[in-house]
Amino acid sequence: KQEVTQIPAALSVPEGENLVLNCSFTDSAIYNLQWFRQDPGKGLTSLLLIQSSQREQTSGRLNASLDKSSGRSTLYIAASQPGDSATYLCAVRRSGSARQLTFGSGTQLTVLP
Amino acid sequence: NAGVTQTPKFQVLKTGQSMTLQCAQDMNHNSMYWYRQDPGMGLRLIYYSASEGTTDKGEVPNGYNVSRLNKREFSLRLESAAPSQTSVYFCASSGGMADTQYFGPGTRLTVL
Repeated sequence: KQEVTQIPAALSVPEGENLVLNCSFTDSAIYNLQWFRQDPGKGLTSLLLIQSSQREQTSGRLNASLDKSSGRSTLYIAASQPGDSATYLCAVRRSGSARQLTFGSGTQLTVLP
Repeated sequence: NAGVTQTPKFQVLKTGQSMTLQCAQDMNHNSMYWYRQDPGMGLRLIYYSASEGTTDKGEVPNGYNVSRLNKREFSLRLESAAPSQTSVYFCASSGGMADTQYFGPGTRLTVL
């Protein structure tokens, strides 16, 4: 059974810092990996999706990398801003026809002004 | 575009009552999903529908039923609510090669 772990559970940084969020998964037979953002009391917003054949994806100040063989992904946020404060979740979709995602518990990020 | 919409936003039930959570998407996606989110547990898949006319169990299906009414709508029914079903429920949809999942705003359900 796929298990997804995100460490740390919470992170607090001063504004302007570059930071890295970590995600690890136990089964490397994945189809893709997605990073989401969740604001308090809201739904999830997709940030980046990396296919299993890709090594990284970039969107603005965000860069996500994937190392399937080691079962790890990182989300790099450059020049953090208070508006980046949210919970960040990673989720993996396994290979095959099934489309379900397995989620980590998330990292709660606070960017201090 | 509205994306994925869910009704109601909030609901309080007594143990044993029944209710249906509604979800609709306007992105012409084939696949739709129901998740629940509990503190410390992350999101867990309840049921999903890979295409119109099909439904499959996810990780935590007990106590729930679903209906894929048409391509747009996917409902989740609690026949006899229990306090353990107190949670936030999210509907999602996906489609295309990338298969990015798009989420609704959630329904916060409390069962007393």
